[in-house]
Amino acid sequence: DTEVTQTPKHLVMGMTNKKSLKCEQHMGHRAMYWYKQKAKKPPELMFVYSYEKLSINESVPSRFSPECPNSSLLNLHLHALQPEDSALYLCASSQESSFSYNEQFFGPGTRLTVL
Amino acid sequence: AQSVTQPDIHITVSEGASLELRCNYSYGATPYLFWYVQSPGQGLQLLLKYFSGDTLVQGIKGFEAEFKRSQSSFNLRKPSVHWSDAAEYFCAVGRGGSQGNLIFGKGTKLSVKP
Repeated sequence: DTEVTQTPKHLVMGMTNKKSLKCEQHMGHRAMYWYKQKAKKPPELMFVYSYEKLSINESVPSRFSPECPNSSLLNLHLHALQPEDSALYLCASSQESSFSYNEQFFGPGTRLTVL
Repeated sequence: AQSVTQPDIHITVSEGASLELRCNYSYGATPYLFWYVQSPGQGLQLLLKYFSGDTLVQGIKGFEAEFKRSQSSFNLRKPSVHWSDAAEYFCAVGRGGSQGNLIFGKGTKLSVKP
């Protein structure tokens, strides 16, 4: 199984809502990533988890809260978002984050709209 | 600092024509280079990767790329484009050290004329 799954596929939320994005992989990968992608732009790294521990936080606002409950699951908890946070949120995984040659496998993304 | 440049924002080719997408990188050591493709509203799919060895790399869907150290380039090619190849293409370099994440170029949008 070389698939990364993400749910939901689409999410519309108000600025006062609390929601969560979910990502799952069963490839035995020990590194997982959250990216944010605005239209016509490349993905921007948000967070990296390595062996279930947060290893990189790219100065992301605290209204985004990542969680890695186990080696197969990655969540992104959302609270008090702003309309400018509307984007495609991509999850990826790789064997280990500490090696540049590890290819990343991407999920299909969650299209988030903040009203 | 590492960086990736894709000079062409948008390219249009006719179906059946050949394709070359350009990618230039800036990196001090041996780069780990990737090409990803993204269809509208979808995630990224790896086309091919270069780590070392043979400078001509074969990928999926009939794509290939050539690593040229002297030109700091990693251009993507396909001899005959199909309408289904219309998508956004991203070149990326693996960041070194303990941060194994990717640095992406801005992408090249490929349109295919019938």
